Amino acid sequence: GEDVEQSLFLSVREGDSSVINCTYTDSSSTYLYWYKQEPGAGLQLLTYIFSNMDMKQDQRLTVLLNKKDKHLSLRIADTQTGDSAIYFCAESIDSSYKLIFGSGTRLLVRP
Amino acid sequence: AAGVIQSPRHLIKEKRETATLKCYPIPRHDTVYWYQQGPGQDPQFLISFYEKMQSDKGSIPDRFSAQQFSDYHSELNMSSLELGDSALYFCASSAATSGAQYFGPGTRLLVL
Repeated sequence: GEDVEQSLFLSVREGDSSVINCTYTDSSSTYLYWYKQEPGAGLQLLTYIFSNMDMKQDQRLTVLLNKKDKHLSLRIADTQTGDSAIYFCAESIDSSYKLIFGSGTRLLVRP
Repeated sequence: AAGVIQSPRHLIKEKRETATLKCYPIPRHDTVYWYQQGPGQDPQFLISFYEKMQSDKGSIPDRFSAQQFSDYHSELNMSSLELGDSALYFCASSAATSGAQYFGPGTRLLVL
């Protein structure tokens, strides 16, 4: 079945690295995504990775994919207070490109 | 760069009324998706269109319908509104050749 799970909350100090984790169950996932949502705002696509890749880096963001364990992580280097938001992991599967979202991880960056 | 446009941004309706939400995808994007996000929840897929044809359907109530027009914009029609329909409604668009789905700012619907 389709299920995406994330931890609910993460708190880090400004300047530290943040690692947000996600697990998914559908082995036919095509793409896996990370979206950022600030309060009352829309969903900002941060990065996405094709399911046959292991890693993708984009400036301060590093995505790691472990297909065997169905585990996806997002590492934010040098976390800033402006990174405080909810981060959603999502997958799309072969039969449709609809997104299945996790419940979101609320990241709080302390000064 | 052009983004997904949604209108209206805010909408207040009474129970049993109807509402129409509009979505204008990024230019040259041929696929449109609609999602519903309740308070404190993750977005839930409603329906999608590819080249003006319905491509997939999720947990969309029978009271809702949608279509994609020849200029690729899409409309979500909601009838017999209920209190539980109060939510953020997002439209997203993508190009068939890319996995990236870009979301609009959303329409916040409040049903009183």
